[in-house]
Amino acid sequence: DGGITQSPKYLFRKEGQNVTLSCEQNLNHDAMYWYRQDPGQGLRLIYYSQIVNDFQKGDIAEGYSVSREKKESFPLTVTSAQKNPTAFYLCASSMGGDKRTQYFGPGTRLLVL
Amino acid sequence: QKEVEQNSGPLSVPEGAIASLNCTYSDRGSQSFFWYRQYSGKSPELIMFIYSNGDKEDGRFTAQLNKASQYVSLLIRDSQPSDSATYLCAVTDSNYQLIWGAGTKLIIKP
Repeated sequence: DGGITQSPKYLFRKEGQNVTLSCEQNLNHDAMYWYRQDPGQGLRLIYYSQIVNDFQKGDIAEGYSVSREKKESFPLTVTSAQKNPTAFYLCASSMGGDKRTQYFGPGTRLLVL
Repeated sequence: QKEVEQNSGPLSVPEGAIASLNCTYSDRGSQSFFWYRQYSGKSPELIMFIYSNGDKEDGRFTAQLNKASQYVSLLIRDSQPSDSATYLCAVTDSNYQLIWGAGTKLIIKP
């Protein structure tokens, strides 16, 4: 089955702790994205990557970091510098080119202890 | 500032009626337009996309695009309680990145 997986489903972070959210896809998509969604709000872009070993900041990159060492994987680290990390985190992927239909993983809900 | 605007709702529609969801966008360079459905606590799922002016039908769903007026709409015929969700509109900018609306909450009343 082709798709996007995210883990864990729920993640708890302690003050001052860095945590990493996993995102894997087997759709052979070139581009991958991380979004944050707060309750009752739309999607805000954190980082995106159009090719391996390259990524760009989105609208709210402060306090987050990413890597793209493999085409299939795009992990997101929420650092201790992100003071309000409680949110629903969504990973998406798309083909390159001009169509850019994005497909989403199931999401990770991050809560602060 | 490139924007996509949606009425937040909730939009309440009787079961069996037509639900009409609207979206306006600011970037005249936009080329691709998407509608996603998001159930509470779940991730968005693609309903349909449209690239050309006019209507595109897929089952009970019809997307309508008017580039001159910069709006895109989604019609849901024969609305079912299972259609109750938040509907997100997304539009590509001139760099082919998606700009997202905040979504319209739709409630189908039995």
